[in-house]
Amino acid sequence: GAGVSQTPSNKVTEKGKYVELRCDPISGHTALYWYRQSLGQGPEFLIYFQGTGAADDSGLPNDRFFAVRPEGSVSTLKIQRTERGDSAVYLCASSFQGAVNTEAFFGQGTRLTVV
Amino acid sequence: AQSVTQLDSQVPVFEEAPVELRCNYSSSVSVYLFWYVQYPNQGLQLLLKYLSGSTLVKGINGFEAEFNKSQTSFHLRKPSVHISDTAEYFCAVSGNRDDKIIFGKGTRLHILP
Repeated sequence: GAGVSQTPSNKVTEKGKYVELRCDPISGHTALYWYRQSLGQGPEFLIYFQGTGAADDSGLPNDRFFAVRPEGSVSTLKIQRTERGDSAVYLCASSFQGAVNTEAFFGQGTRLTVV
Repeated sequence: AQSVTQLDSQVPVFEEAPVELRCNYSSSVSVYLFWYVQYPNQGLQLLLKYLSGSTLVKGINGFEAEFNKSQTSFHLRKPSVHISDTAEYFCAVSGNRDDKIIFGKGTRLHILP
C-alpha cells in the first residue's frame, strides 16, 4: 500500500480481555515503531523494531504488553488482561533506515477503548 | 535521557499574523530535533528536522525552526499563518541516529479569523 496501515481503526474490548493490534508498514521499511497517545498528550514511545528484532522495548509499560514482527514487515502489538488505563490511540510508524536518518511515516492509529 | 518541553498547550493567533511555538529540550548526548504536525483526523507528519549544520531549518508549508544550543531550544516559527495551519504541533528529540524519537505533549494552534 501507499502508506502505513493499521487495523482495526477502532477496537472496543472489555476489561480483562486480550487484544491484538496490527500494523502494515510501508514496503521496504526496516524500522517500525509503536507509540501510544492518550487524550491531550503527545505520542509515548513503546517499542522500536529494526527488521525482525526489537531494538528498544524500554517503553513497554509492563509485561502485559508484547509486540512481534516475525518476518520483518507486519507487526502485531498484543495486550493481555486489558485495563481501562490502556485506552488510547495506538500509533505505528515506519521508516527506511530509522526515524532520525529517514522520515518516519505514521499510520492513522487504532483507537482502543477498554470498558 | 532525552526529553522535550513544549511550553504552551494552546496558542491562538489571528490569520496572517506570525506565530512561534516554543520547544526546549534536554539531552546528555548529541541531539537531533524534529517538529511533527497532526492535522485534524490525520496521522502525524514530519514538518522539519535538525540533524547538524545550519541552525536554521526550513520545512514544509512555510515553517522554519532555529536550533539554539546555548538556550537548548528549537522554536518553530511561521511569518504568516493560514486557517489551514490549524493543527497540533509536536516537538520531538532523539539522542542517537539509531534511536527512538521522544515526543513532547504538543501545542494546539488555533487560527482566529
